[in-house]
Amino acid sequence: GENVEQHPSTLSVQEGDSAVIKCTYSDSASNYFPWYKQELGKRPQLIIDIRSNVGEKKDQRIAVTLNKTAKHFSLHITETQPEDSAVYFCAASLRSNDYKLSFGAGTTVTVRA
Amino acid sequence: SQTIHQWPATLVQPVGSPLSLECTVEGTSNPNLYWYRQAAGRGLQLLFYSVGIGQISSEVPQNLSASRPQDRQFILSSKKLLLSDSGFYLCAAGGLGSTDTQYFGPGTRLTVL
Repeated sequence: GENVEQHPSTLSVQEGDSAVIKCTYSDSASNYFPWYKQELGKRPQLIIDIRSNVGEKKDQRIAVTLNKTAKHFSLHITETQPEDSAVYFCAASLRSNDYKLSFGAGTTVTVRA
Repeated sequence: SQTIHQWPATLVQPVGSPLSLECTVEGTSNPNLYWYRQAAGRGLQLLFYSVGIGQISSEVPQNLSASRPQDRQFILSSKKLLLSDSGFYLCAAGGLGSTDTQYFGPGTRLTVL
C-alpha cells in the first residue's frame, strides 16, 4: 500500500516568516494530494489539494507543489500569522473506487508572535 | 454541499461496556464513508470504510466493527470496550462526484475508564 512520510514533525516560525512542510509518497500511481489543517480539539479541515496533472497550486498565502518524478509534495505558507498555528497533515490517494487516503504523521506548526 | 453529523460529541464509558457511534451525511447520495481514530497527539488511523450499503472494509483488526444500514448512515460499534479504544473518532465522507476529496465530521471524543 501507499506510504506517506512527513517532515518536520514540529515547526516553529516567527510571525511573518514562511513555513514549509514536505511529504514523500511511495506509490507512483498516486494522483491526488490533499493537505488538512487541524486545530486543537477540532476536525481536520481541507485547506488545499493538488492532482498529479498539476505542478503547483496557490490559494492566497498557501501553496502546494508536486514533483511526480521525485514523488514528493510540499506545503508552503507565506506571511505566517498566529492563526496558522495548528497540526498539518498531508495525504496521498490512489485512483480507485474506494478513494482511500494515506496520511502523513502530521506537523505541529507554532507561529511565534 | 454535504454536511456530516456525528453523535455523541463526547462519551465516557467504562471498560467492558458496549459502544455505538453514529455518523450521518446530508446533501449528497452514495458517498464513500470512512471511520478514523486519532489517539491524543497522534495521526489519523483508518479503521473502516464503505463504498455502499452493507459494504464494509476493515483496515485494522481490533474489537471494533462498522455497519452501513442506510446510504448516508455509518455506525461504529464495539461489544466490549478496552482502555486502548480511547481517542477521537472521526467520520469522513468522500468519493463525491467521483472525486477523491474527503471531508470530516466534527468527531466524537471517547474516553474509556
